[in-house]
Amino acid sequence: DTGVSQDPRHKITKRGQNVTFRCDPISEHNRLYWYRQTLGQGPEFLTYFQNEAQLEKSRLLSDRFSAERPKGSFSTLEIQRTEQGDSAMYLCASSSNRLSYEQYFGPGTRLTVT
Amino acid sequence: AQTVTQSQPEMSVQEAETVTLSCTYDTSESDYYLFWYKQPPSRQMILVIRQEAYKQQNATENRFSVNFQKAAKSFSLKISDSQLGDAAMYFCAYIHQGAQKLVFGQGTRLTINP
Repeated sequence: DTGVSQDPRHKITKRGQNVTFRCDPISEHNRLYWYRQTLGQGPEFLTYFQNEAQLEKSRLLSDRFSAERPKGSFSTLEIQRTEQGDSAMYLCASSSNRLSYEQYFGPGTRLTVT
Repeated sequence: AQTVTQSQPEMSVQEAETVTLSCTYDTSESDYYLFWYKQPPSRQMILVIRQEAYKQQNATENRFSVNFQKAAKSFSLKISDSQLGDAAMYFCAYIHQGAQKLVFGQGTRLTINP
């Protein structure tokens, strides 16, 4: 049984650079979520996909952020022109239609912007 | 807007003892779900236990049980026979029926003393 996977696990980048993260959900899950977690805080919702459709976005998701799920399987989260405030753990989660409220999380991508 | 509050930033317990982590939430919804997630250091978030608001019976999963007080909007987690592997950040989370985003508390860091 493979869980949610994320790549890379760690990313260090310089301010102003673009970064892209990938998430592979549990194979039978058609719902996918992105959250951001800063140090010492609980995760905060960023965006949600059902299949390939992005159905909800948080106000936290500024214009520099874009997420895609082109074939309804894996998803990517891109941050353009990174800022130091973007440093955080980016978590991906997935759920099934049958138990949509029960979300399973990946290990996260820790982003450090220097 | 729904909020989740964990008033204990840190807790510690002796191995084999029992510990209770507190969580309160605020919502005007009647149908919702509550969760406790465990996040060990540098490891992914794991779903520990869930409670459906329409169920009066408190959920139990092995050594983990909850005390769900709907009128008081309280949802505490009891860990019995604490083990070293229980050391982690614990997050209380809420989602209402039909919603997509989990709302998390700030977390409680649990330390197990041998």
